[in-house]
Amino acid sequence: GENVEQHPSTLSVQEGDSAVIKCTYSDSASNYFPWYKQELGKRPQLIIDIRSNVGEKKDQRIAVTLNKTAKHFSLHITETQPEDSAVYFCAATTPFGNEKLTFGTGTRLTIIP
Amino acid sequence: GAVVSQHPSWVICKSGTSVKIECRSLDFQATTMFWYRQFPKQSLMLMATSNEGSKATYEQGVEKDKFLINHASLTLSTLTVTSAHPEDSSFYICSDWDRSTDTQYFGPGTRLTVL
Repeated sequence: GENVEQHPSTLSVQEGDSAVIKCTYSDSASNYFPWYKQELGKRPQLIIDIRSNVGEKKDQRIAVTLNKTAKHFSLHITETQPEDSAVYFCAATTPFGNEKLTFGTGTRLTIIP
Repeated sequence: GAVVSQHPSWVICKSGTSVKIECRSLDFQATTMFWYRQFPKQSLMLMATSNEGSKATYEQGVEKDKFLINHASLTLSTLTVTSAHPEDSSFYICSDWDRSTDTQYFGPGTRLTVL
């Protein structure tokens, strides 16, 4: 089955600077890569996703890049703000009619004011 | 995005009792729902895939007789933790899969504490 690795496990960034979180996946058939933000005690919220037919997607301060050959994808947050502090999870899913998500281990992002 | 509700949001029970958690898809018909478990400071682990009108598909290592899943309608899936023990204490989260957007949306989660 799919295996997703995520790095780093913790990340502290000065407010205004950029943050980058990286994930690798094992199943070359995976074709959908969402990123979720989870605040303490709350549900994961989808913040951005990318499908295997594109290499990059951007939504305001958030961007995701995908390298299918190397089987890795990254989340980029620019101009970080205190409210960006949370745990971020990457995930991957394989097709064939059953969209099972395999999650990475999570990155605790702390924005230092 | 889609709206998913869960009930209850938290529950405390005695060891040996059973607890039922409901997951509702409020704005579309979900033929497939997923149940996850999340221990403190850990990632989400898929427990099972709930299919409307058929048996759930359990992930390896998840006891189907302990975690009973029923998906009797297109908007409701239930997870029953039978004979709960302290090690079952966790955050249980459901999600539904919106086929029209090919996206999963999560419920708010249920925090189970077994004494």
